Amino acid sequence: ETGVTQTPRHLVMGMTNKKSLKCEQHLGHNAMYWYKQSAKKPLELMFVYSLEERVENNSVPSRFSPECPNSSHLFLHLHTLQPEDSALYLCASSPEGGLNSPLHFGNGTRLTVT
Amino acid sequence: AQKITQTQPGMFVQEKEAVTLDCTYDTSDPSYGLFWYKQPSSGEMIFLIYQGSYDQQNATEGGYSLNFQKARKSANLVISASQLGDSAMYFCAMREINGKGAQKLVFGQGTRLIINP
Repeated sequence: ETGVTQTPRHLVMGMTNKKSLKCEQHLGHNAMYWYKQSAKKPLELMFVYSLEERVENNSVPSRFSPECPNSSHLFLHLHTLQPEDSALYLCASSPEGGLNSPLHFGNGTRLTVT
Repeated sequence: AQKITQTQPGMFVQEKEAVTLDCTYDTSDPSYGLFWYKQPSSGEMIFLIYQGSYDQQNATEGGYSLNFQKARKSANLVISASQLGDSAMYFCAMREINGKGAQKLVFGQGTRLIINP
């Protein structure tokens, strides 16, 4: 399998649940990203990992907790979310140092918080 | 801080017509990169085309071209002959480097393009 794979594709969770989003890339990249896409808003960068080190945390609430165990995998752990956290969560990867290289995105996880 | 502006929330075009999607940007960096992405209703973000600030020629890729006007700080996407499959959201993005040297993309609000048969 090639590219960036996100699971699950759809997730419905209650405000008291704990769940995790998973992202896996098979492109040999070593930078990975989480973006949030809400309705009628531009994509918002949440986190950036470079060589498994978090290099950007864009003022994201602590109920979102990222984890990057290796350069191929990225997780977003979710707990006590709010209804306004319902959105499409997109994972992306890029080669480290590849400033002219595009980000390669997964298909996203559509999250609904009830 | 960098900023990307897409002023067309939606566009309706007849099939086979050419279409231009507008994008303006604001940056004080002499070196920057501009990207266009397509997002169909399925949600995936598909990379279309890239333009570097020092590139002398406008980028072209398949049926897409980028009308890069550096002095005006605009990087409009041109689809030469639209097809029904071009119906999607289109996002313009600019590369930004953070304090730790990591690349990230800052996106505009997007333009919804609908191609009519």
